[in-house]
Amino acid sequence: DTGVSQDPRHKITKRGQNVTFRCDPISEHNRLYWYRQTLGQGPEFLTYFQNEAQLEKSRLLSDRFSAERPKGSFSTLEIQRTEQGDSAMYLCASRAGGSPTNEKLFFGSGTQLSVL
Amino acid sequence: GQSLEQPSEVTAVEGAIVQINCTYQTSGFYGLSWYQQHDGGAPTFLSYNALDGLEETGRFSSFLSRSDSYGYLLLQELQMKDSASYFCAVLRHGSGNTGKLIFGQGTTLQVKP
Repeated sequence: DTGVSQDPRHKITKRGQNVTFRCDPISEHNRLYWYRQTLGQGPEFLTYFQNEAQLEKSRLLSDRFSAERPKGSFSTLEIQRTEQGDSAMYLCASRAGGSPTNEKLFFGSGTQLSVL
Repeated sequence: GQSLEQPSEVTAVEGAIVQINCTYQTSGFYGLSWYQQHDGGAPTFLSYNALDGLEETGRFSSFLSRSDSYGYLLLQELQMKDSASYFCAVLRHGSGNTGKLIFGQGTTLQVKP
């Protein structure tokens, strides 16, 4: 399978703990995106990378959130001191580079985070 | 800022045609996309309109009118497997000459026998 993979699929944690999620994009894709989705809502943009450079971060991404893509391949999203409001599905997506209008994003199946 | 409005729910019968509308308030975007998401699944790409007009892909068609800030997704010959959530999304200008997708809240389509 050469799609976008995310790990873990599910994460249950206690409030105040730190969690880290991993995303492996499609190998030839240099654009990588993180989204958050809560029940009944559309995905909300968090941040994106072009190769290893983090180009934009949403205001939703508080200082407790940090994302990296150290070698321009896989990416990690860390949440420190988790809060119950962080409970959501965290989706990763990637797309090929080139034209900015290369519109098709490929999404992973997401990591479902539950903060107790 | 930007916002996209979609109906929250639509119900139709198998074999019918359904249209899901999307109105938006945004500027500086490359185009309008549509994604399908089944319960518990990942969003999957359906179509993209960079220019005004109709794009057809099999049973699905999508339309964009920039002057009216409006688009729609048309699903024909509905099948039970089309029951899912459908999201319109604008591909907004972003940093580094790349785009970011901003999604609407989604429309839940229920197809009945």
